[in-house]
Amino acid sequence: EAGVAQSPRYKIIEKRQSVAFWCNPISGHATLYWYQQILGQGPKLLIQFQNNGVVDDSQLPKDRFSAERLKGVDSTLKIQPAKLEDSAVYLCASSLVGDTQYFGPGTRLTVL
Amino acid sequence: AQKITQTQPGMFVQEKEAVTLDCTYDTSDPSYGLFWYKQPSSGEMIFLIYQGSYDQQNATEGRYSLNFQKARKSANLVISASQLGDSAMYFCAFGGNNRKLIWGLGTSLAVNP
Repeated sequence: EAGVAQSPRYKIIEKRQSVAFWCNPISGHATLYWYQQILGQGPKLLIQFQNNGVVDDSQLPKDRFSAERLKGVDSTLKIQPAKLEDSAVYLCASSLVGDTQYFGPGTRLTVL
Repeated sequence: AQKITQTQPGMFVQEKEAVTLDCTYDTSDPSYGLFWYKQPSSGEMIFLIYQGSYDQQNATEGRYSLNFQKARKSANLVISASQLGDSAMYFCAFGGNNRKLIWGLGTSLAVNP
């Protein structure tokens, strides 16, 4: 069974530029999560989808971050405009409802 | 509020020896789960093992086992026969009724040859 897919793996941009990350969850997983992990810290949940509806986006900086999961399968996370403090690893995870979360390889973002 | 504590920022172990990584939690939820994940330097978060609060036996998955002491609110990960590939960050996470994960700060494990 294929795991969670993410792209790109690495991205370097300058501050004030835009960037988008893509995630394809494990087939059949209704719940999809986006996390931000800053170096030396545990992951921080940005947004949780169940199918194509948002369950929790309380920690998403909505002035610059947006996410969508239009058809209830793959998802895109966008940052516009990026700030230096957005440098982090962005992790996508998926799960069956209420079950263990499985993560993708992550995208390492560097904002210069 | 739920809280997860990993008190060991870094650990060293000799190859082939066993190592215990500590995790304590605080909750008033009657039903919850404890998760351990491994994060190598590549960045991927790899699920290792799960323990439910009502599970009668400690969870085991190959060389990984969970020393679950509910009364003490601890869920320590035991890795037996350490291998060089076990060098990584290890995160303990708590999942309450809403299954939203609360993460510890992690423990960096280095396996010496």
